[in-house]
Amino acid sequence: SQTIHQWPATLVQPVGSPLSLECTVEGTSNPNLYWYRQAAGRGLQLLFYSVGIGQISSEVPQNLSASRPQDRQFILSSKKLLLSDSGFYLCAWGTGYRRNTIYFGEGSWLTVV
Amino acid sequence: QKEVEQNSGPLSVPEGAIASLNCTYSDRGSQSFFWYRQYSGKSPELIMSIYSNGDKEDGRFTAQLNKASQYVSLLIRDSQPSDSATYLCAVTDSTGNQFYFGTGTSLTVIP
Repeated sequence: SQTIHQWPATLVQPVGSPLSLECTVEGTSNPNLYWYRQAAGRGLQLLFYSVGIGQISSEVPQNLSASRPQDRQFILSSKKLLLSDSGFYLCAWGTGYRRNTIYFGEGSWLTVV
Repeated sequence: QKEVEQNSGPLSVPEGAIASLNCTYSDRGSQSFFWYRQYSGKSPELIMSIYSNGDKEDGRFTAQLNKASQYVSLLIRDSQPSDSATYLCAVTDSTGNQFYFGTGTSLTVIP
């Protein structure tokens, strides 16, 4: 069966510091991969998605970036965090077929102070 | 981004009652439709998917889709306190690759 791992689970970072969140998927190949952010009391905002290695689509302009160095690895990064970057970050994988369905990792809580 | 609208609630129902959750979406090209449940502090988990007009039943859950009205709903029969959570509606774009979520409806089932 497929599993998705995301880390770290929780982190507190000062404003201006860098960020790296990592996500890996096991048990499937060539998945669609996604990064979402959920601010406190708000819905899920699609940040990035990827349908293959080196193929990254960005939904909103921001100081975040994403990379997919391997088929089942998805990394979210920032060079300088802002207070507004605080939130619950969720990685998800999708089957990528006609009836694509996505499944979430356990999430990473980021607090920028 | 595509718009997905849900009543934020909170919605309160007594145990054993039917809970009805609604969602509308803006993109007529949307391919697929989903309901996720999110407990406080946790990640969303998939409850149901629906792809064509009509009803789809899975246990106590029934999803309903009306593409002409751009409307999707979720009925929870025999609601249990463990159903208390936020329910997120999600729709895809025309490619089926991008998923857009509503802000969720908070449901409380009162024992």
